[in-house]
Amino acid sequence: NAGVTQTPKFQVLKTGQSMTLQCAQDMNHNSMYWYRQDPGMGLRLIYYSASEGTTDKGEVPNGYNVSRLNKREFSLRLESAAPSQTSVYFCASSGTGRAEAFFGQGTRLTVV
Amino acid sequence: DQQVKQNSPSLSVQEGRISILNCDYTNSMFDYFLWYKKYPAEGPTFLISISSIKDKNEDGRFTVFLNKSAKHLSLHIVPSQPGDSAVYFCAAIVNAGNMLTFGGGTRLMVKP
Repeated sequence: NAGVTQTPKFQVLKTGQSMTLQCAQDMNHNSMYWYRQDPGMGLRLIYYSASEGTTDKGEVPNGYNVSRLNKREFSLRLESAAPSQTSVYFCASSGTGRAEAFFGQGTRLTVV
Repeated sequence: DQQVKQNSPSLSVQEGRISILNCDYTNSMFDYFLWYKKYPAEGPTFLISISSIKDKNEDGRFTVFLNKSAKHLSLHIVPSQPGDSAVYFCAAIVNAGNMLTFGGGTRLMVKP
């Protein structure tokens, strides 16, 4: 029962470095999401993918890119990391017509 | 402008008593509401939900109330247990299958 798996769990980057956060789900869900969590701000949507081959911007997309590699995998890329991108990142997925989203364990990213 | 707000960042309750967590929203198009529970170093997990056509939904110790005219919902936990200590997020959605909009979260502490 893996559900939604994110890698890595922790990462420290220097300003300007790039990295890709990986996410995979084994629930055959069509929709996948990337959120960031900051203190007092709740979870804010960065990008989402309603189905394989489609991606759309969420509330806070600047500085990020995504790839829906296939139905299972949805990656988030930071091309040039900035301290403002220090956050906890969560990947999630949901089934067609379903409101409930299932979340991964998160990636704690620190940009110094 | 936050469309979903949780105005109490924290709440402390004695074990066995009732915990009431509140959430307000501004978007009248929201038609489905969810509560998520989050433990440290874990992803949020779905707890309970309610459709806008209902005013109450109950699941064991957890009950969610919806007041559409006031654009307000609340989560009642009775009786509260120490294991309920976590951060609770309220979320809302326009049509199941779209992305969730989250509130800022309320940290609940249940004291033994």
